[in-house]
Amino acid sequence: AQKITQTQPGMFVQEKEAVTLDCTYDTSDQSYGLFWYKQPSSGEMIFLIYQGSYDEQNATEGRYSLNFQKARKSANLVISASQLGDSAMYFCAMRELLPQGGSQGNLIFGKGTKLSVKP
Amino acid sequence: NAGVTQTPKFRVLKTGQSMTLLCAQDMNHEYMYWYRQDPGMGLRLIHYSVGEGTTAKGEVPDGYNVSRLKKQNFLLGLESAAPSQTSVYFCASRWGGGVGEQFFGPGTRLTVL
Repeated sequence: AQKITQTQPGMFVQEKEAVTLDCTYDTSDQSYGLFWYKQPSSGEMIFLIYQGSYDEQNATEGRYSLNFQKARKSANLVISASQLGDSAMYFCAMRELLPQGGSQGNLIFGKGTKLSVKP
Repeated sequence: NAGVTQTPKFRVLKTGQSMTLLCAQDMNHEYMYWYRQDPGMGLRLIHYSVGEGTTAKGEVPDGYNVSRLKKQNFLLGLESAAPSQTSVYFCASRWGGGVGEQFFGPGTRLTVL
């Protein structure tokens, strides 16, 4: 069965510094996708970044990048130049992908990491 | 384009009461989901739907029922609420192609006394 593990319940980072949020996953599938979501204190879930298991390059979206190490089954989120607005819960999630394209199955979420950015 | 909306935003129930949570999306998405979020537990899937007229059980379906009579709406029902159902409920939707990121509603905070 698929499983997502986020081992850091809480993290602190100084404003303007970079921070890495850990995510490891367990799956027997060859084709899968990894997602990161942000949940600020207001409660909404915001999609941040996606990495496919066959993508050769690490995904980047603005200040977010995904450090994907397939052999180690890790998909860590890196936030560069942290801002006060980055304070939030961050969730890692995974879904199986179909070899012919498209996706199936449901997202499996980790328990999240609470990031606090200090001024 | 409102995205995913949820009604109501807050609700307090007494044990044994029933209620229905409504989720609506205007993105013509095929897939819709209901999750519950509890402290320290992340998001857990209650029920989901892969298209109009279809529903399926997720990880924690007991005590809940769902219906998807129209493509844009996904209803979550609690027939006899229990304090263990105190939670924040999220609805999400996605289209069937691509990588399938889910778009979430704002959530409903439910308290069962």
